[in-house]
Amino acid sequence: DIQMTQSPSSLSASVGDRVAITCRASQSISTHLHWYQQSPGKAPKLLIQSVSNLQRGVPSRFSGSGSGTEFTLTISDLQPEDFATYYCQQSYTTPMHSFGQGTKLEI
Amino acid sequence: QVQLQESGPGLVKPSETLSLTCTVSGGSISVHYWSWIRQSPEKGLESIGFISYSGSTNYNPSLKSRVTISVDKSKNQFSLKLTSVTAADTAVYYCARGGLVVDDAFDVWGQGTMVTVSS
Repeated sequence: DIQMTQSPSSLSASVGDRVAITCRASQSISTHLHWYQQSPGKAPKLLIQSVSNLQRGVPSRFSGSGSGTEFTLTISDLQPEDFATYYCQQSYTTPMHSFGQGTKLEI
Repeated sequence: QVQLQESGPGLVKPSETLSLTCTVSGGSISVHYWSWIRQSPEKGLESIGFISYSGSTNYNPSLKSRVTISVDKSKNQFSLKLTSVTAADTAVYYCARGGLVVDDAFDVWGQGTMVTVSS
């Protein structure tokens, strides 16, 4: 099984800050890496597919990079609605599309 | 705009079968991959399995002996059955839409339904 490890587990920041969340895979997953945002009591929402492809409607302050085993989600100019939990997910192996443990972004 | 809605009992007794249905509106179930995912504080987000537009299924190996995912195209629904449940199966269960290929991300999610396993 491919293990996905996110760091940090939690992160404190302020409105207007730029933050980066890292996701590491236990083996190479090429570019089969996606990012989700989850607000309390809500379902995860797909932000970025295949490392760097922003979903329609997702603000351009979100960006993704990486390949192989290390990936980064960067959020610039943090807005109040960005404070949520972020998950990475690999789809290199099926059906175990494993997720990271999450990074909680707090004010 | 495609929307998904889970339905089913919120409480299931230990050793019984958990049954959930996901109704797809605003689009056809005859395209894409369709998945079940659950979330608990202990295990985080966990893929349960998926069914393709052709009806082929694939399950998480750790759950494979207990899981069945099926589709009812006439009702635009797909379903999850998980047998012999224990407290460890208590979680929020989500249905989600995958892409046109199996390694696409989950781009549409249901709101989730909490299922508690308890006597």
